[in-house]
Amino acid sequence: DGGITQSPKYLFRKEGQNVTLSCEQNLNHDAMYWYRQDPGQGLRLIYYSQIVNDFQKGDIAEGYSVSREKKESFPLTVTSAQKNPTAFYLCASKKSGALRGGDGYTFGSGTRLTVV
Amino acid sequence: SQQGEEDPQALSIQEGENATMNCSYKTSINNLQWYRQNSGRGLVHLILIRSNEREKHSGRLRVTLDTSKKSSSLLITASRAADTASYFCATDEGDDKIIFGKGTRLHILP
Repeated sequence: DGGITQSPKYLFRKEGQNVTLSCEQNLNHDAMYWYRQDPGQGLRLIYYSQIVNDFQKGDIAEGYSVSREKKESFPLTVTSAQKNPTAFYLCASKKSGALRGGDGYTFGSGTRLTVV
Repeated sequence: SQQGEEDPQALSIQEGENATMNCSYKTSINNLQWYRQNSGRGLVHLILIRSNEREKHSGRLRVTLDTSKKSSSLLITASRAADTASYFCATDEGDDKIIFGKGTRLHILP
């Protein structure tokens, strides 16, 4: 079955440490997205990529970095510059023309990051 | 930027009753989507309504869109315990990204 896999499910980060969250999809979707969700809040866009080797900043990109070297993969690095990284991180993907065709985004199950 | 805003923030109803959630947004949109999120999980796409549509149905879901009032509603009929979740609206302004609201937490009471 096709889908999006996020790993790990839980991640603990020490102060000053960089960590990388994995997002892999086998749906052959062109666009991929990273969102951050804080308790009781909606989703805020961190970065998105519409094509391999290209990505754009979302609303809260500071302290994060991404790469898109392969169509299937869109890892997110939470750097030490992100002062409040504890949150639930969600990866999503979308095929080209999905919204025109009535389809939405496909989401992974999320990674819960905690600073210790 | 937060485009959509759901109302109410939380809703508790008895099983079998209908649940209605509303979403208001600020700018012109291409389409509006509704998603469900079970606790601690990812979001699941429920339904998309285009800006030139006024009403859409999918199973027990009914979505309306009023572009003149910049608002949408999601109606879940004959609610079940499994409908307990958070529901989010998301708006597409045509720049290949969607903006989510803060969600409505729905609790179905047995």
